[in-house]
Amino acid sequence: KAGVTQTPRYLIKTRGQQVTLSCSPISGHRSVSWYQQTPGQGLQFLFEYFSETQRNKGNFPGRFSGRQFSNSRSEMNVSTLELGDSALYLCASSPLLAGTSVDSEQFFGPGTRLTVL
Amino acid sequence: GENVEQHPSTLSVQEGDSAVIKCTYSDSASNYFPWYKQELGKGPQLIIDIRSNVGEKKDQRIAVTLNKTAKHFSLHITETQPEDSAVYFCAANRNTGNQFYFGTGTSLTVIP
Repeated sequence: KAGVTQTPRYLIKTRGQQVTLSCSPISGHRSVSWYQQTPGQGLQFLFEYFSETQRNKGNFPGRFSGRQFSNSRSEMNVSTLELGDSALYLCASSPLLAGTSVDSEQFFGPGTRLTVL
Repeated sequence: GENVEQHPSTLSVQEGDSAVIKCTYSDSASNYFPWYKQELGKGPQLIIDIRSNVGEKKDQRIAVTLNKTAKHFSLHITETQPEDSAVYFCAANRNTGNQFYFGTGTSLTVIP
């Protein structure tokens, strides 16, 4: 079974631009979560989608948004990019609520490395 | 919200020795605590997890202990090998969705 895939793997943008990142979960997984990983802040939760609905949202400004499609693929968008948005953006998928059963492990993709100049 | 603290930030051990990484959490409602291993250029991978109704869990050379009263949990790796070298993250979850709060990571180096 293919793992979580994220595209693109690397991205360079300039301040003020917007960017869209894509995540394809493992087949059959309905939950997709997004995280921002930086050396100073570690992994911080952005939001989670389950069956096309945003179920949880972290403490990020409204410039960060996301959506999930009927096939469970998800996109996240960052508008008006700032230098501080440079980070590794990780997507994770899970078939169920993580921790509720042995089949609900959260699987991470390799991430998209975003650099804002 | 939840706050997870992780120590140490870096850890070097000789091959064959044990490694211990500790985390504390603030929200008493958290009830699921996974540990992840992240290798260079890859996303985090779950290595072991524990739920709040269990005090200890083992999987071969890896074990996790949980003290709910003190709100801390620890990862123990015995008989370390060079391939254990990676960054390890602890996390906490309240079972209200797949929203996890992560520690800041421990970079483990196993010296051959």
